[in-house]
Amino acid sequence: NAGVTQTPKFQVLKTGQSMTLQCAQDMNHNSMYWYRQDPGMGLRLIYYSASEGTTDKGEVPNGYNVSRLNKREFSLRLESAAPSQTSVYFCASRIGGVVHEQYFGPGTRLTVT
Amino acid sequence: AQKITQTQPGMFVQEKEAVTLDCTYDTSDQSYGLFWYKQPSSGEMIFLIYQGSYDEQNATEGRYSLNFQKARKSANLVISASQLGDSAMYFCAMRGDFSGGYNKLIFGAGTRLAVHP
Repeated sequence: NAGVTQTPKFQVLKTGQSMTLQCAQDMNHNSMYWYRQDPGMGLRLIYYSASEGTTDKGEVPNGYNVSRLNKREFSLRLESAAPSQTSVYFCASRIGGVVHEQYFGPGTRLTVT
Repeated sequence: AQKITQTQPGMFVQEKEAVTLDCTYDTSDQSYGLFWYKQPSSGEMIFLIYQGSYDEQNATEGRYSLNFQKARKSANLVISASQLGDSAMYFCAMRGDFSGGYNKLIFGAGTRLAVHP
C-alpha cells in the first residue's frame, strides 16, 4: 500500500516548456487535489476532483489544467511554464463522505528558469 | 472571507516539555473543520488531527490535542512531551461550507517548531 505517489520528484523547465505532473493513489479514494506550496507559505489549492469524471478550479488555477484519468490517477499539466510556477506541488486524496482527512503525496519540486 | 492565521513564525521547546502552537480562523460558515498537518524537513505533509465545528469534545491523537475554542475562533495544537522528531513545520488548515462539501482546504502560513535536547 504505497498511499499517494507523485512523479517526478524534481523537475527543471525552461520558460515556455510544458510538462505533466503525475499523481496516483491506491487507497480507493474518491476525491483528489492538487496544491502548490511557495517558499514560506502554506499550501494553496490549484484544482480538485470530487469524484471520477469531475474536476473543478481551486484558488489558483491559472496556467494549469488537470485530468482525472480514472479513480486512481489525477494529473496536472503546465502548458507553458512560467517562472512564477516555480513551487513545490503536492497531490492529495480523500476517501470522501464524512471522512475529512486528506493524505498527501511526497511532492514535486519544480523550478522554471 | 475565510482565513487562517498562525502568528508564531517560529517556536522552540525543550525536549519532554509541552508546547502550544496557535491558530485562529475566520469564517462565517456554521459547519467547518480544522486540521493540523506536520511537514518535516523531508517535505511530506503528515496529517495529525482534525476537529469538526460541531464536535463537543476537543480532539486528541496520542501526544497531540487540539484546544478548540469556538467563541474565540481558535484551534491551537498542543504537543505534550515533545520529542526531537517533532521538529518540523506545522500548518493549521480549515475546510468549510465554502468548499461545497468537497473539502477544499485553506492553510495558514505555518509555524516552525524546534525541539532542543
